[in-house]
Amino acid sequence: GAGVSQSPRYKVAKRGQDVALRCDPISGHVSLFWYQQALGQGPEFLTYFQNEAQLDKSGLPSDRFFAERPEGSVSTLKIQRTQQEDSAVYLCASSPGGPSTDTQYFGPGTRLTVL
Amino acid sequence: AQSVAQPEDQVNVAEGNPLTVKCTYSVSGNPYLFWYVQYPNRGLQFLLKYITGDNLVKGSYGFEAEFNKSQTSFHLKKPSALVSDSALYFCAVRDTNTGGFKTIFGAGTRLFVKA
Repeated sequence: GAGVSQSPRYKVAKRGQDVALRCDPISGHVSLFWYQQALGQGPEFLTYFQNEAQLDKSGLPSDRFFAERPEGSVSTLKIQRTQQEDSAVYLCASSPGGPSTDTQYFGPGTRLTVL
Repeated sequence: AQSVAQPEDQVNVAEGNPLTVKCTYSVSGNPYLFWYVQYPNRGLQFLLKYITGDNLVKGSYGFEAEFNKSQTSFHLKKPSALVSDSALYFCAVRDTNTGGFKTIFGAGTRLFVKA
C-alpha cells in the first residue's frame, strides 16, 4: 500500500520567502508528526496532530513556523520569511492510533535550502 | 528533560561478525524506546521498539535490542552482520511522563559492514 508521501522533495527558497511543505499520511492514520533534520543530526520534533487537533507544538522553533491539518488527513507545514538556519530536511511521519506506543511511518522528507 | 545519546558516530564491523550500536537515554518517567534505520535516499524505517515486558526485543532483519533499566541503555545488536546492514541508525525515546507525543532522537550512528 501507499506510504507517507511528501512534496515537494526539494525546495530552494530565497531568504525572506514563504514556503509550504505538504505531507500525505497513510490513509486512516490518526497521528501525524513533523520533524526537522539538520545535516548530520537526528530528527528533531516540531509538532504533533491527533486527527485535526494540534496537541503539541512545543518544538516549533519560532512563530514563523506554522502547521495545520484541517481535515485530519493532509498536513501542511508553512515557514514564513525563511532564514538560512531553516535549511534542513523536513520529515513527516504518521501512525495508526495514539502517539505513545505506535510505530511511526516516515515519509522521504522535503529538503529545504534557503539561499 | 528527556535525551538520547549515541556515543559512537561510526561503527565498523566485518561481515559475519556480531555488531552492537550503543544507545543510552534519560527520561523522568518510564521510557518507550525505538530503533530506526535510514538508508541513503530513503526515509527512516522502523526496526524495533520496547514498550513493556521482556527486556530483549526482537525486530526486523534479525536485529534485537536489550532494555537495561539500571544502565539506562537500549543497545542494538545483531549476531552476524551483512554488508546490506550498512546504514544510519537512530535510537529514539518517548517519556511517558510528558504525554508521549514528543519523540527524541539520537544523533545517529553510521554502521559500515565490510565484506
